[in-house]
Amino acid sequence: EVQLVQSGAEVKKPGESLKISCKGSGYSFINYWIAWVRQMPGKGLEWMGIIYPGNSDTRYSPSFQGQVTISADKSISTAYLQWNNLEASDTAMYYCARRGSGNYFLLDVWGKGTTVTVSS
Amino acid sequence: EIVLTQSPDTLSLSPGERATLSCRASQSVTSNYLAWYQQKPGQAPRLLIAGASSRATGIPDRFSGSGSGSDFTLTISRLEPEDFAVYYCQQYSAWTGTFGQGTKLEIK
Repeated sequence: EVQLVQSGAEVKKPGESLKISCKGSGYSFINYWIAWVRQMPGKGLEWMGIIYPGNSDTRYSPSFQGQVTISADKSISTAYLQWNNLEASDTAMYYCARRGSGNYFLLDVWGKGTTVTVSS
Repeated sequence: EIVLTQSPDTLSLSPGERATLSCRASQSVTSNYLAWYQQKPGQAPRLLIAGASSRATGIPDRFSGSGSGSDFTLTISRLEPEDFAVYYCQQYSAWTGTFGQGTKLEIK
């Protein structure tokens, strides 16, 4: 079964660092792009960026460039989303999703999400 | 960055009715790179339509997508109780993606 398993919920204080993960299984992880999507409480979906684990080619949304770091470790089929200085406004659900193969752009497999709460 | 504007924000309909959801882009979008997703409360989004009009695996044929250029439509021919959810369009171009703000389909 193709799946993305995300790390568990996090509660952090402002100014702290955090790295959440997304582990792929059931497919060739290095050959599919992984996207990260933010959903703030009660709000819509926001595109953060995308990484190709095969060579770590990474593209950020202008809105998130410099605010987060997306990385991947292909040896353990895992992608990461990292913050160095969390703010209360980073409180959200974060999803990873796989870009499917073929001529279309589509996110065909989604993780269940990681809830991040930043509060003093 | 391409901005996607969905309308209406909320659509109130009854089971059995037809739903028409719109997604308008601030500039032309390659149809191959336009997708629709459904999200229910407490769940991750689910892919419905890719390439503007191709149903994803397992998606019932009451869901259909159409459009080109900057105007796209998701149609649900006869609403089932499980179809009441939030729907998002999404595009990818110039190495970045954007989502519309979503249309909430609620039971009337």
